[in-house]
Amino acid sequence: TQLLEQSPQFLSIQEGENLTVYCNSSSVFSSLQWYRQEPGEGPVLLVTVVTGGEVKKLKRLTFQFGDARKDSSLHITAAQPGDTGLYLCAGDLSGAGSYQLTFGKGTKLSVIP
Amino acid sequence: KAGVTQTPRYLIKTRGQQVTLSCSPISGHRSVSWYQQTPGQGLQFLFEYFSETQRNKGNFPGRFSGRQFSNSRSEMNVSTLELGDSALYLCASSLGGASRGQFFGPGTRLTVL
Repeated sequence: TQLLEQSPQFLSIQEGENLTVYCNSSSVFSSLQWYRQEPGEGPVLLVTVVTGGEVKKLKRLTFQFGDARKDSSLHITAAQPGDTGLYLCAGDLSGAGSYQLTFGKGTKLSVIP
Repeated sequence: KAGVTQTPRYLIKTRGQQVTLSCSPISGHRSVSWYQQTPGQGLQFLFEYFSETQRNKGNFPGRFSGRQFSNSRSEMNVSTLELGDSALYLCASSLGGASRGQFFGPGTRLTVL
């Protein structure tokens, strides 16, 4: 059973389009992170959210944490080819102090010039 | 600051052999986590060390082990390699634990023949 579901699994869009990817769990997150990974490299941390309802912005990326802290979304405005990569969400599902993150399987995004 | 470094970057072994992978965290980071990444299972947590103590362990067989040294550098060892151990092994460091975000190395690509 996958504890953290990400959707869609694959996404291919044209440059300039907007998109949203989702991360869902039946459990409550103590905290949640989003990463982007490019082929042959390790994931790079984009953001950490902690408070239910929290919204964070990173240039054209907007991250939202659900009020109940069971879901999160990542919205990209005017996607660019440089946004191509695997987007991973990761959550601390076991409570504060667990020192263990659970990762979703990711959304593979391709932005076509 | 230098990022997380992992050595070697690529490794080819045969079934039954053992392997040791090394990770040097970002200076000042005391927490080191290890993950296995495969196309089918995604990123799966192996274990986490803090100040030379293993604080948490994922659901992997005892063939997978690790340790951390006083300078926070960490090693993981896999004994009696199996074909299914072929994967990208990622190390990540953080100040006190993964729940507020961690920084990944580039990974070691292990191929078991």
